[in-house]
Amino acid sequence: AQSVTQLGSHVSVSEGALVLLRCNYSSSVPPYLFWYVQYPNQGLQLLLKYTSAATLVKGINGFEAEFKKSETSFHLTKPSAHMSDAAEYFCAVSVGYSTLTFGKGTMLLVSP
Amino acid sequence: EAGVTQSPTHLIKTRGQQATLRCSPISGHTSVYWYQQALGLGLQFLLWYDEGEERNRGNFPPRFSGRQFPNYSSELNVNALELEDSALYLCASSLAGSTDTQYFGPGTRLTVL
Repeated sequence: AQSVTQLGSHVSVSEGALVLLRCNYSSSVPPYLFWYVQYPNQGLQLLLKYTSAATLVKGINGFEAEFKKSETSFHLTKPSAHMSDAAEYFCAVSVGYSTLTFGKGTMLLVSP
Repeated sequence: EAGVTQSPTHLIKTRGQQATLRCSPISGHTSVYWYQQALGLGLQFLLWYDEGEERNRGNFPPRFSGRQFPNYSSELNVNALELEDSALYLCASSLAGSTDTQYFGPGTRLTVL
C-alpha cells in the first residue's frame, strides 16, 4: 500500500520569501503524485501532477515540484510567496488503479 | 465548462438520522469518488464509482453507501448518523480510471447534533 508523509503541519513564510512544502511518499511501484491546494471552506484545487514524464513539474500560480526517486520525495516550491498563497496544501499519491492517498496537509501561513 | 457540483452545501442532522449527499461530475467524466475530511483526521477515501459500479471502498462501515446513476451523478448515503460523522464530504470526478486527475467539488458540510 502507498502512503504520503508531509513534514510540518504548519509552515510560515514572509511575503516574497521562498515557499518549500515537503512531501515524501512510499510506494512499491512507480507512483503518480499530486499537489492540491484547499482554501478555507472550499474544495481541493489541483496545483500540479507528476506522471513519470519530466521530473520537474510546473503547476499553476508559479508552483513547481520535483520528483526525486532516490529520496522518494516530491517537494513543492515557489520562489516568492504571495499573501494569496495562504491555504492548506495536500500531497497525494496514486498507484495503479488505487485511489488517491493524501498526506495530512500543510497549512501555509504568509505574513506581510 | 462546469466543474464538479455538490448539494446541499450544508446539512444538519441529528444522531441516528440518515443523510443523503449528491454529486454531479464534470461532463464526460465517468468516475466519481467520495472523500471524508474530518477535523484532525485528514482526507480519507470513502468510495469510488465508475460506470455505475462500485470499484473500491475505503475503511468505513457499511452504513456509508452510495450509488452512481446512468448520467454518472452520484449519491452518498450515511445511515444511523453518529456525532463523529460530522465532516466535510468531498466529491471528485475523473475520466475513466483512477490514475486520471481527480477534480474536486466544493463539498458538503455535514453536521450531526
